[in-house]
Amino acid sequence: GAVVSQHPSWVICKSGTSVKIECRSLDFQATTMFWYRQFPKQSLMLMATSNEGSKATYEQGVEKDKFLINHASLTLSTLTVTSAHPEDSSFYICSARAETGETQYFGPGTRLLVL
Amino acid sequence: EDQVTQSPEALRLQEGESSSLNCSYTVSGLRGLFWYRQDPGKGPEFLFTLYSAGEEKEKERLKATLTKKESFLHITAPKPEDSATYLCAVQAFDDKVIFGPGTSLSVIP
Repeated sequence: GAVVSQHPSWVICKSGTSVKIECRSLDFQATTMFWYRQFPKQSLMLMATSNEGSKATYEQGVEKDKFLINHASLTLSTLTVTSAHPEDSSFYICSARAETGETQYFGPGTRLLVL
Repeated sequence: EDQVTQSPEALRLQEGESSSLNCSYTVSGLRGLFWYRQDPGKGPEFLFTLYSAGEEKEKERLKATLTKKESFLHITAPKPEDSATYLCAVQAFDDKVIFGPGTSLSVIP
């Protein structure tokens, strides 16, 4: 149980284009989903927290207009990187948490390369 | 300020050589402490959740323990497939989750 998927697993795009990443909880309802960014050999950096049906809460320093988060259902959240630039290249990981617990279950991650 | 540190930063063990990884934390009210394993290029894999001092949990060769200031992840007779980065995370009463920097474990055959 507690499986989280992400799609795509990797994406290459040109500078200036937008990229959408999907995060799905496959076997449980996720009232809260989290989006993280991870640089090589570093730990996870929380970008934002989203609760189903409400606006996401962004961490300090994360541009909400650049990283659009939508949590429209209890099993799906999306992160859209708008007008991507090479410095946005990174490993993006989502996690999901059920209403009845504290544990976050992570997706496999999406590697983004912006050329 | 809430903080999570892990030591050592990196650890090399011979196969079968038991050891412990440390996670030290300062948080204004502990709601839960989590251990994850992360393989290169993949998302973290959940291992344990601990809620109160004195609690212990085991899974195969891994055993996690918790005190009021730190947690240990004990690895007994490790195998090469245990090689990974082990992440510790702490959740405070305000629901904030803070991740430690991780310990990179290499188990040599």
